[in-house]
Amino acid sequence: QVQLVESGGGVVQPGGSLRLSCGASGFNFNTFAMHWVRQAPGTGLEWVAVESSDGTYKHYADSVKARFTISRENSKNTLYLQMDSLRVEDTAIYYCVREGGADCRFDHWGQGTLVTVSS
Amino acid sequence: QSVLTQPPSVSAAPGQKVTISCSGSSSNIGRRYVSWYQQVPGTVPKLLIYENNKRPSGIPDRFSGSKSGTSATLGITGLQTADEADYYCATWDGSLSAGVFGGGTKLTVL
Repeated sequence: QVQLVESGGGVVQPGGSLRLSCGASGFNFNTFAMHWVRQAPGTGLEWVAVESSDGTYKHYADSVKARFTISRENSKNTLYLQMDSLRVEDTAIYYCVREGGADCRFDHWGQGTLVTVSS
Repeated sequence: QSVLTQPPSVSAAPGQKVTISCSGSSSNIGRRYVSWYQQVPGTVPKLLIYENNKRPSGIPDRFSGSKSGTSATLGITGLQTADEADYYCATWDGSLSAGVFGGGTKLTVL
């Protein structure tokens, strides 16, 4: 069965960096675009970034552009999110999500990893 | 402020029907498929509807979706207390080159 397992969350000071990882199993990772979606405490879902299956395209939400970098290692079935210049407002649960079809059809979600940005 | 607009809350009695709207624009809903997600508090979001009106396997036919122009609607019939959750619409925005979610709608089954 499809499994997505995030890791790397934690507490970091404003201006700091973190790298999230997402290990995938149960499907052909190298044939699916993958996304990060986040949810700040008590709020709704916010799309963060996407990378295509072969890495030919990447897109970011304006709120994270130039600070976050999405990447993947298909040989290791792993998705990453490098987060730099973190802000208090980046505090959220970060979900690794598989795109099962066009236009944000997110058919599988990880359990999420909590990132807390606080001094 | 979300690119897609949903009502903050809806409510109905058990057994009744409810609809949740999602309003967008020509750069997103007008040209793209819409998906809907259910998030029971404390759990991970779950795909309910994709490509405007299709249900993944395991989703009961009490849940339906439709799209017209730049708006989409989620319908739920035969409401159950287990349906109490937050519901989100989502799609791709071609002008932003970004995924977009609605702000979410909290469903209360009275």
